[in-house]
Amino acid sequence: GESVGLHLPTLSVQEGDNSIINCAYSNSASDYFIWYKQESGKGPQFIIDIRSNMDKRQGQRVTVLLNKTVKHLSLQIAATQPGDSAVYFCAENIGDYKLSFGAGTTVTVRA
Amino acid sequence: KAGVTQTPRYLIKTRGQQVTLSCSPISGHRSVSWYQQTPGQGLQFLFEYFSETQRNKGNFPGRFSGRQFSNSRSEMNVSTLELGDSALYLCASSWGYTSTNEKLFFGSGTQLSVL
Repeated sequence: GESVGLHLPTLSVQEGDNSIINCAYSNSASDYFIWYKQESGKGPQFIIDIRSNMDKRQGQRVTVLLNKTVKHLSLQIAATQPGDSAVYFCAENIGDYKLSFGAGTTVTVRA
Repeated sequence: KAGVTQTPRYLIKTRGQQVTLSCSPISGHRSVSWYQQTPGQGLQFLFEYFSETQRNKGNFPGRFSGRQFSNSRSEMNVSTLELGDSALYLCASSWGYTSTNEKLFFGSGTQLSVL
């Protein structure tokens, strides 16, 4: 069977390495997904989004992968930098003008 | 372009009091949403407004209310505060013309502490 990444509440990564953050979403009807980054003392900041008719989308140093079969979303950060240390949330939108957020993953970058 | 502005940044209240939080959306955005963030429950949806109308409400007691003004600015009110209302209250704005496929842009939040 296909391997699905587990959601981890914390992730420690060496500076310069790639990071992979996983998220399982709950509703098969969700058609829009967003990754947010939240630094200490700040609100969530938009990173990248993806619609359900896509399975991959790339941004600057970030890639989001969507697997609708197993309702799984992942965020890949290339060449992780100290400024990437934050809490990362995935969010799903099933309509009704609201987002449903995952529990979040705290990423710590080691120098 | 200015981002979402929330005031005040910090607030300390005692049980039983009420509180009003304010949010100014990004210029041109007509939808304002409110979320409560706590360590235990994460980010929970409170309500969403568009053109002064509430289009959706989360699963919170009636002590939580909000409104939106004609200039899209929004306020939320919590009456009869309880200790469990201590949280970061986040406001987000978007264009608001569709129920999905819209990015929300968040403010820095109001940190409310109830003693």
